Amino acid sequence: EDKVVQSPLSLVVHEGDTVTLNCSYEVTNFRSLLWYKQEKKAPTFLFMLTSSGIEKKSGRLSSILDKKELSSILNITATQTGDSAIYLCAGHGSGNTGKLIFGQGTTLQVKP
Amino acid sequence: DGGITQSPKYLFRKEGQNVTLSCEQNLNHDAMYWYRQDPGQGLRLIYYSQIVNDFQKGDIAEGYSVSREKKESFPLTVTSAQKNPTAFYLCASQKTWDIHEQYFGPGTRLTVT
Repeated sequence: EDKVVQSPLSLVVHEGDTVTLNCSYEVTNFRSLLWYKQEKKAPTFLFMLTSSGIEKKSGRLSSILDKKELSSILNITATQTGDSAIYLCAGHGSGNTGKLIFGQGTTLQVKP
Repeated sequence: DGGITQSPKYLFRKEGQNVTLSCEQNLNHDAMYWYRQDPGQGLRLIYYSQIVNDFQKGDIAEGYSVSREKKESFPLTVTSAQKNPTAFYLCASQKTWDIHEQYFGPGTRLTVT
């Protein structure tokens, strides 16, 4: 059965800290891994990764995929209180359905 | 403005009643999805539709029903057969089944007492 596991499940840091969120996946016919940020309502898209070893970057956020280890990390540098959210990781695979398999999410709280 | 809308934002129902959650998109996306989110469990797929007039069961379809009569609309009915309906429901759309990025609506929080 396909599954995606995130760790840690929750994390509390102070402003300015750097955090690393982990995502491991077992997805049949893997095609891509996606990261979303959810602040109370709609998850918003952050990154989609398809190739191993290529870092995607957006401001203070970056992410990389390791297909050999079946994992991905999301890094946030110089954290701000506005980074407080649930970060969701999802794997895409299994044929032609477009289904995403989501992990449980990591809840990040950034304290001032 | 292009996007996905869900209504209502909050919904309260008595046990035994069916309730329909609305999802509309004006992104011209072919594929639409319904997820349920419970604390600590991430998102679980209820139903999905790759194209108008077609839909498939997801991982937790029991107690739910959908229709896809128009490309823009994918309503979800939570029936009285759903044993644990209280949850946060998210609708998403995707340009086609083959393009993996999904866009989400703001969600509907359903409380059944």
